[in-house]
Amino acid sequence: DGGITQSPKYLFRKEGQNVTLSCEQNLNHDAMYWYRQDPGQGLRLIYYSQIVNDFQKGDIAEGYSVSREKKESFPLTVTSAQKNPTAFYLCASSIGSGAFTGELFFGEGSRLTVL
Amino acid sequence: GDSVTQMEGPVTLSEEAFLTINCTYTATGYPSLFWYVQYPGEGLQLLLKATKADDKGSNKGFEATYRKETTSFHLEKGSVQVSDSAVYFCALSDSGGSEKLVFGKGTKLTVNP
Repeated sequence: DGGITQSPKYLFRKEGQNVTLSCEQNLNHDAMYWYRQDPGQGLRLIYYSQIVNDFQKGDIAEGYSVSREKKESFPLTVTSAQKNPTAFYLCASSIGSGAFTGELFFGEGSRLTVL
Repeated sequence: GDSVTQMEGPVTLSEEAFLTINCTYTATGYPSLFWYVQYPGEGLQLLLKATKADDKGSNKGFEATYRKETTSFHLEKGSVQVSDSAVYFCALSDSGGSEKLVFGKGTKLTVNP
């Protein structure tokens, strides 16, 4: 089945630890995104990548890092510098390549809890 | 920058009631407008969209019309079902030309039998 796979679904982290969330897609999409979802805040963009080996900061990039070494993969690292990392993280992809239709395909999300 | 404002929830309705979820936007250009839906425990999925003024998007009985004069894109459904219970997000495409969306805060809808 084509789609976005995020892992792990649930993750617990101690304060001061970095953690990496995985996002893989087999839709052959060029663009990929990471959003953070908090109750009452909606979705806020962390990072996005329109092409391999290139990515841009979103609205709340501080304390996060990403890489885009392969078209299929866009991992997100939540670093110890992120002051309030407990949240629900959503990865998405879109066709990209100048053919942006606004349709994003989302994974099922990863819930990170800092203990 | 561009922004989206949605009516605050939660919204609770009885089955077969009429639904309206208000959405207004601020944008410097002429964005496309979207409604996404998130069912419990799932990611978001596109519900409908409109790409220019006066366009009406529709899907699964839901409708929304792009109103440039009022900068609005309100979501409506004539008769909701229990299965429509979800969180609904209004969004717009960034008018700066980058391939990203700006989302509203979401409105949680609960439909009771």
